[in-house]
Amino acid sequence: DQQVKQNSPSLSVQEGRISILNCDYTNSMFDYFLWYKKYPAEGPTFLISISSIKDKNEDGRFTVFLNKSAKHLSLHIVPSQPGDSAVYFCAAISQGGSEKLVFGKGTKLTVNP
Amino acid sequence: DADVTQTPRNRITKTGKRIMLECSQTKGHDRMYWYRQDPGLGLRLIYYSFDVKDINKGEISDGYSVSRQAQAKFSLSLESAIPNQTALYFCATSDKTSGFYNEQFFGPGTRLTVL
Repeated sequence: DQQVKQNSPSLSVQEGRISILNCDYTNSMFDYFLWYKKYPAEGPTFLISISSIKDKNEDGRFTVFLNKSAKHLSLHIVPSQPGDSAVYFCAAISQGGSEKLVFGKGTKLTVNP
Repeated sequence: DADVTQTPRNRITKTGKRIMLECSQTKGHDRMYWYRQDPGLGLRLIYYSFDVKDINKGEISDGYSVSRQAQAKFSLSLESAIPNQTALYFCATSDKTSGFYNEQFFGPGTRLTVL
């Protein structure tokens, strides 16, 4: 049973436009959510996170939105840059539970110049 | 210098061989993890350790074992490698003592091929 789902394996956008990456989760015990970015031949790196007590968190060009009732979160990148081309993983954790990150399968973002 | 290092970075081996992947960290974190990444399957947890004397199975521990030799070192062993263990393996760390244990820091990965 996949608890964290990224239903779009890939996304292609033009430089300067908005990129929206989506993530759905099924476990209502998850209370903290993270996005990781991965370039080829490198390990994933932390990008941005959000606690379940918030519905938005912003860091520069990156904003994560959380809709708890829909069990849905999204990562917005504005404006998108070619260097943003990478695989993005959504992850979730139950801080009072298992304390283990559960990852989605990832979405490959390509930003075209 | 990298905070989380993995050795080897690449390894090709044959079915039935014993393989050890090593992970070292200089971050002083108490928690360490081993994941594997397969195309289209994301990152799956193999084993994790919240302290030197603590070892826990993850989602896909069959065929693997681990050793937490010290706070800074966490090794993953494949006792008898099989071709479907061909994957990219990542070690990660996090630090509960700092309160920011949700964020994990990953090593560069080991690409393992089992022929």
